[in-house]
Amino acid sequence: GNSVTQMEGPVTLSEEAFLTINCTYTATGYPSLFWYVQYPGEGLQLLLKATKADDKGSNKGFEATYRKETTSFHLEKGSVQVSDSAVYFCALSRMDTGRRALTFGSGTRLQVQP
Amino acid sequence: SQTIHQWPATLVQPVGSPLSLECTVEGTSNPNLYWYRQAAGRGLQLLFYSVGIGQISSEVPQNLSASRPQDRQFILSSKKLLLSDSGFYLCAWSVAAGGSYNEQFFGPGTRLTVL
Repeated sequence: GNSVTQMEGPVTLSEEAFLTINCTYTATGYPSLFWYVQYPGEGLQLLLKATKADDKGSNKGFEATYRKETTSFHLEKGSVQVSDSAVYFCALSRMDTGRRALTFGSGTRLQVQP
Repeated sequence: SQTIHQWPATLVQPVGSPLSLECTVEGTSNPNLYWYRQAAGRGLQLLFYSVGIGQISSEVPQNLSASRPQDRQFILSSKKLLLSDSGFYLCAWSVAAGGSYNEQFFGPGTRLTVL
C-alpha cells in the first residue's frame, strides 16, 4: 500500500535556525513527491515537488531531495523566519489511481519564535 | 487564472441534520476533483475523487456522499450528520492529464462543527 510518515511535532525553533522535517514513504511504483504548507485558518498550498529519483524541489528557501534508496523526502531550510510558522504535509501521488490521488502524511507543525 | 471556491466557510449543525457543502472551480475544464477531511490535530483523509461528471470514487465507506452534477462543481452531502463528521473539509482540483505528477490546488476549506 501507500503511506507517508512524518516526524511528529510541534517543532519549535528560533528565528534563523536550520530546519529539517523528516518524511519517509512506502509506495508501489515511482510516485511523485510533494510538500504542502498550511498556514493558520487556510487551505493547503503546494510548497515544492519532485517527480523522479534524485530530483531536488525548491521554493522560498525550502528544499527537498527525492531519495529512492532511502524512500525519503526530507524538507530543509537553512534559516527559518517567524512567517514560516505553519503545518507542513508530505505527500505522494498514488499509482493505483493513475497518479490522480495523493496520500498525505499526518503533518508537522512548525513554530518559529523571534 | 484558475480559482477554487468553497462554501460555506463555517457551519455548525446538530447531530442528525443533513449536510451539503459545495465546491466550484473556475478557469479550467474537465478537472479532477477531490474532497478531503482534516480532523482536529490530524492529517488529511481523502474522502472522494472524481475524474468526470457523474464519476465518483469513494475512499472510505461512511455516511457521506459526493456528487458532480456539472464539470466544475463538486458537492459533499450527508443525510444525517454524526459527531465524528466534525472537521475541516477541503476541496481540491488537479489537471486531468496529470502526466508524471499530480499537483493539487486546494480551496479555502469549510469548518464543520457537529453538536
